Amino acid sequence: GIQVEQSPPDLILQEGANSTLRCNFSDSVNNLQWFHQNPWGQLINLFYIPSGTKQNGRLSATTVATERYSLLYISSSQTTDSGVYFCAVERGSNYQLIWGAGTKLIIKP
Amino acid sequence: GAGVSQSPRYKVAKRGQDVALRCDPISGHVSLFWYQQALGQGPEFLTYFQNEAQLDKSGLPSDRFFAERPEGSVSTLKIQRTQQEDSAVYLCASSPRLGGELFFGEGSRLTVL
Repeated sequence: GIQVEQSPPDLILQEGANSTLRCNFSDSVNNLQWFHQNPWGQLINLFYIPSGTKQNGRLSATTVATERYSLLYISSSQTTDSGVYFCAVERGSNYQLIWGAGTKLIIKP
Repeated sequence: GAGVSQSPRYKVAKRGQDVALRCDPISGHVSLFWYQQALGQGPEFLTYFQNEAQLDKSGLPSDRFFAERPEGSVSTLKIQRTQQEDSAVYLCASSPRLGGELFFGEGSRLTVL
């Protein structure tokens, strides 16, 4: 089956720093989504981005489908950005999302 | 509703008890998914519905797990004769269409003693 790898697994930054999270996938996909799981467990959909670039405030994402990777950029980090960031891909017609292991981000004040 | 609503948020069950977890999706969302998330891991697919039809239940770990969505809106995930390995967070998500953006509820945390 398709493999989804995220890096780095852990990231600790000071408030105000910028970061780049990476998601590699081993085969072509129909869509790719980025999620943020906050410390209370709530999963928030950040981007639905099978290809191209999208921006939402301090966050932006780029997916290069032909090279099988996606990047999530977080600028001017805030403590509320802490949590786990997941990349999930969908392939084929079964509509299941295949999830990466996540990047755990800690933003220190 | 404004978002996906799940209940109960927390459930403690004794081994062997049956439990029922409820999911109320975003109004108008035709697709509904159930995922299971163990501590420190990503969610794992259980099953999904398109309206009232259960199109894929390949992720259900055993025949003790059963899901339904009889009127194409609210869904219930039932676990019979719970075991300790069933302890996890059960996440429900809905989408306006298959293959679309997923919107998750806050989850139901099940602890089996």
